[in-house]
Amino acid sequence: LAKTTQPISMDSYEGQEVNITCSHNNIATNDYITWYQQFPSQGPRFIIQGYKTKVTNEVASLFIPADRKSSTLSLPRVSLSDTAVYYCLAPSMEAGTALIFGKGTTLSVSS
Amino acid sequence: EPEVTQTPSHQVTQMGQEVILRCVPISNHLYFYWYRQILGQKVEFLVSFYNNEISEKSEIFDDQFSVERPDGSNFTLKIRSTKLEDSAMYFCASSEGLSAYNEQFFGPGTRLTVL
Repeated sequence: LAKTTQPISMDSYEGQEVNITCSHNNIATNDYITWYQQFPSQGPRFIIQGYKTKVTNEVASLFIPADRKSSTLSLPRVSLSDTAVYYCLAPSMEAGTALIFGKGTTLSVSS
Repeated sequence: EPEVTQTPSHQVTQMGQEVILRCVPISNHLYFYWYRQILGQKVEFLVSFYNNEISEKSEIFDDQFSVERPDGSNFTLKIRSTKLEDSAMYFCASSEGLSAYNEQFFGPGTRLTVL
């Protein structure tokens, strides 16, 4: 199971772009980089998932370089409501059912 | 948009009592999960369930815990004899596919307080 490392916390202001980088040096061929978001007193929520290059949806973009040893979650123009904990995970397509959460990155957005 | 629901939102119980936490997964999902989060700590996997059987469980999920799908819609977590350290948020989740690669949809959680 790939170990992921991400910053404990980040601060930003409304309207700024926020990039959260995740390191996963021992990522395996069948592992996918997956990000979840958790607001206080709520369950985690899937944001985005990718294997390589760039993935974009209505919420975020995910950049994965060719070596796949790191990835960057990009949140364009954050608002106060983006204040949450963001988790980087690397579940395998073939093995296991459990999502293994780390401590995540606590993003604080202020006005 | 379909969502996972959980009841109750908050449960207070005395140490040693049995509790049952209830979840209604998304209707066309076949794979169900329980996670817990002790205050200020990580979200921890407890168990996954498919086709009326446990697929995977963690070390946390000992003999005090059990899961059941009593009917076509509910999925329950039972803690037989609660301990103080069982106090946590318990999240139910469901997914279309069994692998952790598949998006898991989480419910709002049940806050369990053991006194």
